[in-house]
Amino acid sequence: GEDVEQSLFLSVREGDSSVINCTYTDSSSTYLYWYKQEPGAGLQLLTYIFSNMDMKQDQRLTVLLNKKDKHLSLRIADTQTGDSAIYFCAERGAAGNKLTFGGGTRVLVKP
Amino acid sequence: DADVTQTPRNRITKTGKRIMLECSQTKGHDRMYWYRQDPGLGLRLIYYSFDVKDINKGEISDGYSVSRQAQAKFSLSLESAIPNQTALYFCATSGSNRGRGEQYFGPGTRLTVT
Repeated sequence: GEDVEQSLFLSVREGDSSVINCTYTDSSSTYLYWYKQEPGAGLQLLTYIFSNMDMKQDQRLTVLLNKKDKHLSLRIADTQTGDSAIYFCAERGAAGNKLTFGGGTRVLVKP
Repeated sequence: DADVTQTPRNRITKTGKRIMLECSQTKGHDRMYWYRQDPGLGLRLIYYSFDVKDINKGEISDGYSVSRQAQAKFSLSLESAIPNQTALYFCATSGSNRGRGEQYFGPGTRLTVT
């Protein structure tokens, strides 16, 4: 089956930029997503990118997609303590019937 | 009010017991999903349903069953719970295959099997 990989942990200082990386194997991905999970909560959709785009910006969030290398990244500018959470990337294949999630990256923002 | 709700939020049960987790949604979506989350493993799909008469196995369906009682309700059952089913369980919904296909998640049920 298809696979999505993320690093487990990222530590960043408040005010710096965070970059979370994700790689995937599905050549037929149509949409890719970033979700945020805060402690004790479900997953919240942060942003998404269509596979024919290479960049999307949404306020402090920038998503970069390198389709050739099957690499997705999420950059958070001016990282705040409220950004501490687990971030999941996910991809939707051409069949469109389900999403495949990465293992999640735990981001810790230090003051 | 939350669009996707799950009950119970926490449950402790003993090995061998039958347990049901329930999910309701007010988003009007046709598609519903059950996932389990284990640390470092992300979310793994247990079952999914595209309408009331449609049930599909996900990647880890063994030991689980589901029922889609109505468009808005999708329940997950553990027929005979075992300790390695201790996990965080999430229900999710999405619209039809047209559009972005993003999923909306409930708050989760933390299940402990002793």
